[in-house]
Amino acid sequence: KAGVTQTPRYLIKTRGQQVTLSCSPISGHRSVSWYQQTPGQGLQFLFEYFSETQRNKGNFPGRFSGRQFSNSRSEMNVSTLELGDSALYLCASRREAGTEAFFGQGTRLTVV
Amino acid sequence: KQEVTQIPAALSVPEGENLVLNCSFTDSAIYNLQWFRQDPGKGLTSLLLIQSSQREQTSGRLNASLDKSSGRSTLYIAASQPGDSATYLCASTGNTPLVFGKGTRLSVIA
Repeated sequence: KAGVTQTPRYLIKTRGQQVTLSCSPISGHRSVSWYQQTPGQGLQFLFEYFSETQRNKGNFPGRFSGRQFSNSRSEMNVSTLELGDSALYLCASRREAGTEAFFGQGTRLTVV
Repeated sequence: KQEVTQIPAALSVPEGENLVLNCSFTDSAIYNLQWFRQDPGKGLTSLLLIQSSQREQTSGRLNASLDKSSGRSTLYIAASQPGDSATYLCASTGNTPLVFGKGTRLSVIA
């Protein structure tokens, strides 16, 4: 059974650019959540999608957006990148709310 | 608002020692509690999920307990090995997004 797949694994972008990250959840899982991890702040919740609907949103600026497709794959977009957006972005897949969460390997974004 | 705390932030033990990692949470109406392991630069690996109706869960050398009344969970690792060196995170989970502690960085010295 395939795990959670995140692409790409590494990205280097310049300030002001935009970036799109992708997450393919485990087959049969309808919930996808995104987290930002930095050494200083730990894991911070970005948003959660369930059956193509955004169910929860964290306290991030509007430059961070996401969507989920009918096959449960999700994308996260960050526009007008800032140096502070450099982080490991993690995606979590769950069958339903409250069930076991499984994470991908993450996308390491570096903004220069 | 749920807050999760993990103490200590870092722990170093000799190989073979049994150890306990602590996790505390502020909202006792917790749904489930999940423990994860994270190796440097990698994603999170699920270790154990304890449902709110359970008091403990075991997997190999790992045993996790949940005491909702005191707002605490512990992860017990028996006979620690150098390969157990990683950061261990706990998270409360339910109908809301996972809320994580900052983690405990464990080093097992051979």
